[in-house]
Amino acid sequence: AQRVTQPEKLLSVFKGAPVELKCNYSYSGSPELFWYVQYSRQRLQLLLRHISRESIKGFTADLNKGETSFHLKKPFAQEEDSAMYYCALNNFGNEKLTFGTGTRLTIIP
Amino acid sequence: EPEVTQTPSHQVTQMGQEVILRCVPISNHLYFYWYRQILGQKVEFLVSFYNNEISEKSEIFDDQFSVERPDGSNFTLKIRSTKLEDSAMYFCASSGLVQEGQPQHFGDGTRLSIL
Repeated sequence: AQRVTQPEKLLSVFKGAPVELKCNYSYSGSPELFWYVQYSRQRLQLLLRHISRESIKGFTADLNKGETSFHLKKPFAQEEDSAMYYCALNNFGNEKLTFGTGTRLTIIP
Repeated sequence: EPEVTQTPSHQVTQMGQEVILRCVPISNHLYFYWYRQILGQKVEFLVSFYNNEISEKSEIFDDQFSVERPDGSNFTLKIRSTKLEDSAMYFCASSGLVQEGQPQHFGDGTRLSIL
């Protein structure tokens, strides 16, 4: 069964400080991992996915198969990063996305 | 940039009544999805739809739920006889070819409140 765990419901970080949002997963198959972000009163937006190996808005995430983790990181937090962040997984080629419970990130000015 | 659009943004319905939530997926997308999020809980998969039929559904998607693509643009979720526990945010999503790893794009959601 697919499962995604985000252990932190809330995370507060000072502006300019590093950010790390944790995500662990369990799967049976070939996983594809995503981070979605939801800014206040806006829709869920794809932030990044592991197969792209991109850096979006300064965020990066590396898939660690040994630790079954896909933590989201940013070296210097900005106020506009305040949002709800969801880690999600599907088996490559499968439709169903399994979401974590989300982490609300607040950047303190 | 093309977007998934959902209507209405908020729907209030009496328990036992039927409700239809509407979605217009991105025009060249082939896969369509419904998810829901009960207040304070995680986003949960309900159903996926491809080639005019359900391709996968969750345990939540029981006989009270149905989906339809009545024309070339709309994708609807119907709840036949609503229950209090159906109160949630319902998100529609669409994607291109799943086999190519195309990501899902979400709409703004419809907040469904059952009285």
